[in-house]
Amino acid sequence: QSALTQPRSVSGSPGQSVTISCTGTSSDVGSYNYVSWYQQDPGKAPKLMIYDVTKRPSGVPDRFSGSKSANTASLTISGLQAEDEADYYCCSYAGNSYYVFGTGTKVTVL
Amino acid sequence: EVQLVESGGGLVQPGGSLRLSCAASGFTFSSHWMHWVRQAPGKGLVWVSRIKYDASVTNYADSVKGRFTISRDNAKNTVYLQMNSLRADDSAVYYCARGAQWQYYVDVWGKGTTVTVSS
Repeated sequence: QSALTQPRSVSGSPGQSVTISCTGTSSDVGSYNYVSWYQQDPGKAPKLMIYDVTKRPSGVPDRFSGSKSANTASLTISGLQAEDEADYYCCSYAGNSYYVFGTGTKVTVL
Repeated sequence: EVQLVESGGGLVQPGGSLRLSCAASGFTFSSHWMHWVRQAPGKGLVWVSRIKYDASVTNYADSVKGRFTISRDNAKNTVYLQMNSLRADDSAVYYCARGAQWQYYVDVWGKGTTVTVSS
């Protein structure tokens, strides 16, 4: 049950796009279209941003999008805004009735 | 309003026990899987456990299997996490989270309760 691998940090200027990768294995990300993404502000609870790889819950801006290729899922934030600065975590169902989160990525808006 | 409120955290000595509670409101509790996720200070999120809506199935991360027990009382809209044989590396904020209905993700989170294991 190893954590999914994410870059420690990514940064961009307002209006730019940033992409966060989430690399797992053929047993988790590669096997299931059950990848979700969460945004977490310091000291706060996580918030669901993407589920089932590409779907956005109501209320999440459409500048957030998800994708997957083989064992790697990605979250893209287009038109980066100051309020997007936060930590982001991916999560995948991993079969055998357990889940695995990513290592987390800090997004900085320059 | 959908809400999850955790309680029961605190300071406990290594080897001790603690029971966390999570009170749910604003939705049909008995229709949802419920999860516990933890986050050690300055670290990432880690999935801990989940329980099926009718309590017939429970699953655990390897790191807590045999020491933690998840349970629920649908009459009280509450999910519990009994934690035994606690170790220093169990110190974390413990979040209760709702499993999205018929789905493989969590969609609502509580604010968390802090557990500190230290002598």
